[in-house]
Amino acid sequence: GQNIDQPTEMTATEGAIVQINCTYQTSGFNGLFWYQQHAGEAPTFLSYNVLDGLEEKGRFSSFLSRSKGYSYLLLKELQMKDSASYLCAVRGGNTPLVFGKGTRLSVIA
Amino acid sequence: DAGITQSPRHKVTETGTPVTLRCHQTENHRYMYWYRQDPGHGLRLIHYSYGVKDTDKGEVSDGYSVSRSKTEDFLLTLESATSSQTSVYFCAISESLGQATGELFFGEGSRLTVL
Repeated sequence: GQNIDQPTEMTATEGAIVQINCTYQTSGFNGLFWYQQHAGEAPTFLSYNVLDGLEEKGRFSSFLSRSKGYSYLLLKELQMKDSASYLCAVRGGNTPLVFGKGTRLSVIA
Repeated sequence: DAGITQSPRHKVTETGTPVTLRCHQTENHRYMYWYRQDPGHGLRLIHYSYGVKDTDKGEVSDGYSVSRSKTEDFLLTLESATSSQTSVYFCAISESLGQATGELFFGEGSRLTVL
């Protein structure tokens, strides 16, 4: 089976940096994904990691450590529009994605 | 944006009635999925399909059935709806399952309320 943990809620200030952590336990590993979901909308793909290290994409970066079963999503220069839920999802082999419960991020002025 | 449409987008029904949700894609992707999303539980997989007439169960498949008679359509059926099936249902598609990317593209969701 798979178990994915991430904080339920976080609050950060506009212009700041926030790190959202995700820990996972899986039998087999074939990639970790981060999705963004605004309230009332569908999730949209943010990033993918399959090897250890940092993947950077504009203001967003995602890090993976397979040996520790750990990932984080780093959001820089926070904007109000970044207020959303961030979903960590793991693929444990040739199986569909399993999602964590999501982290609701509130960006305040 | 990936071409995925779900219908209906909103539905209110009564306990014991059958309900079918439809997912239609124009991307010719092999894999299609039905997830449900509930507060405190996140997205949970109900069923998925890896080709026409090829389907498999997910984590929360009890009370649900699916069918895929064409590449572009994936139907989710609640044979006899219960209040515990009140949820937002998302259809998703992907080109691959265990390959390098295989990211999911989601439909806009169908909000189902069972009274």
